[in-house]
Amino acid sequence: SAVISQKPSRDICQRGTSLTIQCQVDSQVTMMFWYRQQPGQSLTLIATANQGSEATYESGFVIDKFPISRPNLTFSTLTVSNMSPEDSSIYLCSACDRAHSYEQYFGPGTRLTVT
Amino acid sequence: SQQGEEDPQALSIQEGENATMNCSYKTSINNLQWYRQNSGRGLVHLILIRSNEREKHSGRLRVTLDTSKKSSSLLITASRAADTASYFCATDAGSNYQLIWGAGTKLIIKP
Repeated sequence: SAVISQKPSRDICQRGTSLTIQCQVDSQVTMMFWYRQQPGQSLTLIATANQGSEATYESGFVIDKFPISRPNLTFSTLTVSNMSPEDSSIYLCSACDRAHSYEQYFGPGTRLTVT
Repeated sequence: SQQGEEDPQALSIQEGENATMNCSYKTSINNLQWYRQNSGRGLVHLILIRSNEREKHSGRLRVTLDTSKKSSSLLITASRAADTASYFCATDAGSNYQLIWGAGTKLIIKP
């Protein structure tokens, strides 16, 4: 199984600023995903991070607001841009590998509070 | 998008009792998975059951799948305080290795 780390683990940010969250996997993986989770709620997929190309965004999420990079098979970043209090949430990175089918491994999450 | 609905939304039982959580889904699937999330942490994969399987065991976990009813259940036997967590089911979306997540069941084990 892959081990995933995320930085920062939590942050408190001012309205209008941007925050970049880093996700590092300890092995090469096929797919990487970014989720948002409100406390006590389920996961909402933001986008699939594609290595070497633009991310694939889900309905309701746009590149200008959530730019994503994936320069290689072990690393990805998610930026939350021009933040508002509505962006306060937990952001989760996950990864999966074709060798293990659909099983996803998760990072510990980044708890973001926007004031 | 969410297609899984889980019940109950919350479950509180005494340590040592068995806990059963249910998940229903809407479309045909290739597999269904269960994950655990401890408070404020990332999710941990528990078990995957394929559409051609009816039952699967892993330690104290037992998962059943009924594709005719589009439902699955997760049974945790002899519960422990450490089992206190939220449990999510997830089904494959058919492509791109994406998962569709259930709403989750919050399980509390009382000592």
